[in-house]
Amino acid sequence: EVQLMESGGGVVQPGGSLRLSCEGSGFTLSDHYMEWVRQGPGKGLEWVGCSRNRHNGFTTQRAASVKDRFSISRDDSGNLLYLQMNSLKIDDTAVYYCVRYDVDAARYRLWGQGTLVIVSS
Amino acid sequence: DIQVTQSPSSLSASLGDRLTITCRASQSIDNWLAWFQQKPGKAPELLIYMASNLQSGVPSRFSGSGSGTDFSLTISSLQSDDSAIYYCLAYKNYPLTFGGGTKVEVK
Repeated sequence: EVQLMESGGGVVQPGGSLRLSCEGSGFTLSDHYMEWVRQGPGKGLEWVGCSRNRHNGFTTQRAASVKDRFSISRDDSGNLLYLQMNSLKIDDTAVYYCVRYDVDAARYRLWGQGTLVIVSS
Repeated sequence: DIQVTQSPSSLSASLGDRLTITCRASQSIDNWLAWFQQKPGKAPELLIYMASNLQSGVPSRFSGSGSGTDFSLTISSLQSDDSAIYYCLAYKNYPLTFGGGTKVEVK
């Protein structure tokens, strides 16, 4: 079955770090652009960042709100995408989703179930 | 960066009603707009991509239109299962930008 599964969420203090993982199954993650999208409690969707596919060198882009604190990487052997989050703020509290972008069809069809990050003292 | 204004923020309509949600981009995004439906506690689900392409498996009562800066999502005959929050997404360039969402209540 083609799916995405996030993990690594939890409770962390302000200023702390956390690494989220997104595992793809049923397809090769490196063939696709992959996005991180988050949703704060009771709030709308916010794009966090992306990792382009292998053909585009796995280059990354990040939202201005996280650019100096978050980084995105991959582990091809494990079909994994990561979001390293440092210097976490209370406003980073959210459900974090990984999303696959299908370049050929120009669509974001596949979403993970999300993982909850709570930043609290 | 592109800004996206989605309206209305909420609406209440009756079974069988036709309703339209709009998104306006701050500059032309051609047809690079998608619509998602999100139900409580669930990940968003793709309804429409490239402004007017219906995702496979999505009921035909959903349709999308528009290009450039003005886009709309129409539900032709509202069903009880359509109670949800709907988001548009502009994806011509990074950073991607979501609209603020429209909460739809079925009376």
